[in-house]
Amino acid sequence: DAGITQSPRYKITETGRQVTLMCHQTWSHSYMFWYRQDLGHGLRLIYYSAAADITDKGEVPDGYVVSRSKTENFPLTLESATRSQTSVYFCASSESTGGPSTDTQYFGPGTRLTVL
Amino acid sequence: QKEVEQNSGPLSVPEGAIASLNCTYSDRGSQSFFWYRQYSGKSPELIMFIYSNGDKEDGRFTAQLNKASQYVSLLIRDSQPSDSATYLCAVHRRTSYDKVIFGPGTSLSVIP
Repeated sequence: DAGITQSPRYKITETGRQVTLMCHQTWSHSYMFWYRQDLGHGLRLIYYSAAADITDKGEVPDGYVVSRSKTENFPLTLESATRSQTSVYFCASSESTGGPSTDTQYFGPGTRLTVL
Repeated sequence: QKEVEQNSGPLSVPEGAIASLNCTYSDRGSQSFFWYRQYSGKSPELIMFIYSNGDKEDGRFTAQLNKASQYVSLLIRDSQPSDSATYLCAVHRRTSYDKVIFGPGTSLSVIP
């Protein structure tokens, strides 16, 4: 039972390069989320998806692109990486079928991204 | 005013004591409240959630919610060194997922 996985776990890239972070979940959860976590800012929502082919912006979407062609995958792409996008990125999923227990978010292990 | 506020800490308590973690929120439409624990270098994991006013107990953990005061807390009884972590409060408004807001977290250190 793999749960929710992210790859790569660590990534170093250069300013201007395109980077894609992968997220895969095995629970068939409807909702998936991308967060970034920075010191002093806590977790901030970048994008979320309610189902395959349905995505929407969160609090800090600029510079990021997402897609969700399959329920289990939710890749996050930095189209042209900037130093300010150096962060730890967490993917999460939840059932959200009704009732607060199903709103619990389960987090992947995170990707530590450094943009030089 | 930030939407979800927590004392950043660090909060230090001796082993066996009660640790009290506090969270306030600004959106009166918030309906569900979650406490996550995050060890250094790890991802957040759920401790418990609460959605009704009052107390909810789960083992050594008790969540307290007061919607009138827009306040939610987490009490950890008989604190153990393994409880040393950052505790994140999350507030969720059912009607819109972009209203899942996490607080900045409180760092807890349990001293043996």
